[in-house]
Amino acid sequence: DAGVIQSPRHEVTEMGQEVTLRCKPISGHNSLFWYRQTMMRGLELLIYFNNNVPIDDSGMPEDRFSAKMPNASFSTLKIQPSEPRDSAVYFCASSSYTRTSGRGDEQYFGPGTRLTVT
Amino acid sequence: AQTVTQSQPEMSVQEAETVTLSCTYDTSENNYYLFWYKQPPSRQMILVIRQEAYKQQNATENRFSVNFQKAAKSFSLKISDSQLGDTAMYFCAFMKRNNQGGKLIFGQGTELSVKP
Repeated sequence: DAGVIQSPRHEVTEMGQEVTLRCKPISGHNSLFWYRQTMMRGLELLIYFNNNVPIDDSGMPEDRFSAKMPNASFSTLKIQPSEPRDSAVYFCASSSYTRTSGRGDEQYFGPGTRLTVT
Repeated sequence: AQTVTQSQPEMSVQEAETVTLSCTYDTSENNYYLFWYKQPPSRQMILVIRQEAYKQQNATENRFSVNFQKAAKSFSLKISDSQLGDTAMYFCAFMKRNNQGGKLIFGQGTELSVKP
């Protein structure tokens, strides 16, 4: 079974350009998470979706960041315009949380997208 | 707000020896989960072990085990018979349970080197 798929794996762009990161969660998972990893701030949640609905976007830095989940098998994280301080590794993760059973808390991560903004 | 603290930025251990990584957390919640993730140089985040707060029994996964002390808010990871492939950054993470899943709050990480 395929894991979480992210594209691109590496992205280099110039300041001011629009960047779109893509994620395909594990089939059957109903929760999707976007995390960012930097040396200064470590790993932090940006936003997460449950059943395609955004639940917590308190980690989204500012209006330049937006995320969508149009269906259960695809999500995007967009940065417009990008800035050098956005340089980081962006991870997508998914889980199959089920309230009735209380199982599925484990989050499985994709390989990450390394973004460099010059 | 919940916080997770890993006080050991770096550790090293000889191959085949045992090492313990420390983690403490702060929360007023009673229903939560704790995790250890491994991040090797490939940067892939790999789940190592999980612990439900309501369970008194410590979780184990092969060579990996935890010492969960709920009252002390401590959650250490013990790696037995260390292998070269265990060399990685290890992150402790907290998750508050709610009816829509929950987000992970990570510690700063401990970089573990296993030496031959």
